[in-house]
Amino acid sequence: NAGVTQTPKFQVLKTGQSMTLQCAQDMNHEYMSWYRQDPGMGLRLIHYSVGAGITDQGEVPNGYNVSRSTTEDFPLRLLSAAPSQTSVYFCASSLQGSDNEQFFGPGTRLTVL
Amino acid sequence: GEDVEQSLFLSVREGDSSVINCTYTDSSSTYLYWYKQEPGAGLQLLTYIFSNMDMKQDQRLTVLLNKKDKHLSLRIADTQTGDSAIYFCAEGTSFQKLVFGTGTRLLVSP
Repeated sequence: NAGVTQTPKFQVLKTGQSMTLQCAQDMNHEYMSWYRQDPGMGLRLIHYSVGAGITDQGEVPNGYNVSRSTTEDFPLRLLSAAPSQTSVYFCASSLQGSDNEQFFGPGTRLTVL
Repeated sequence: GEDVEQSLFLSVREGDSSVINCTYTDSSSTYLYWYKQEPGAGLQLLTYIFSNMDMKQDQRLTVLLNKKDKHLSLRIADTQTGDSAIYFCAEGTSFQKLVFGTGTRLLVSP
């Protein structure tokens, strides 16, 4: 198993540009989520999904869209990037159920100029 | 609201014990967790403790929980240079709904 994979590893955008951060898992996990990590702060939940076709907002959803058309993929879209979205983004997945550990991807470092 | 706080930095010598501390505010948390993040990598679950436990030991790791003071600590015995990383404390009612602390950067010098 490849686990949780994220692409790209690094990305630089200009303000107003759009892009999609990719996340995929091959563990047949129902639950997937996106976090952002900022200096001096813990990870904050952006959006999550409990299964294909179902998504919901986390703590900091503004400026981000998600979709879950398949179990494997959970892309995160920035429609109009802003400097405040400069961060490291982590995707995670787990089996459904509160006792199941989340597995994290290696992260995407995004800089918005 | 929920808040989880950690000191930002800890430096120890190889072979010493490291103690990383965390305070949290949500008394309804069911689980308290410790994650490790190595440079350029995602978070890796180290260990967790149920809120009805006081202590959990796992090889070199000891987790202590003081529910009255809402204080959680992670002790790493015989710290090695490979333990250098950022350690995150987190609380939640499940693995999916977590509130993370700010992270403590542990530096182990030879």
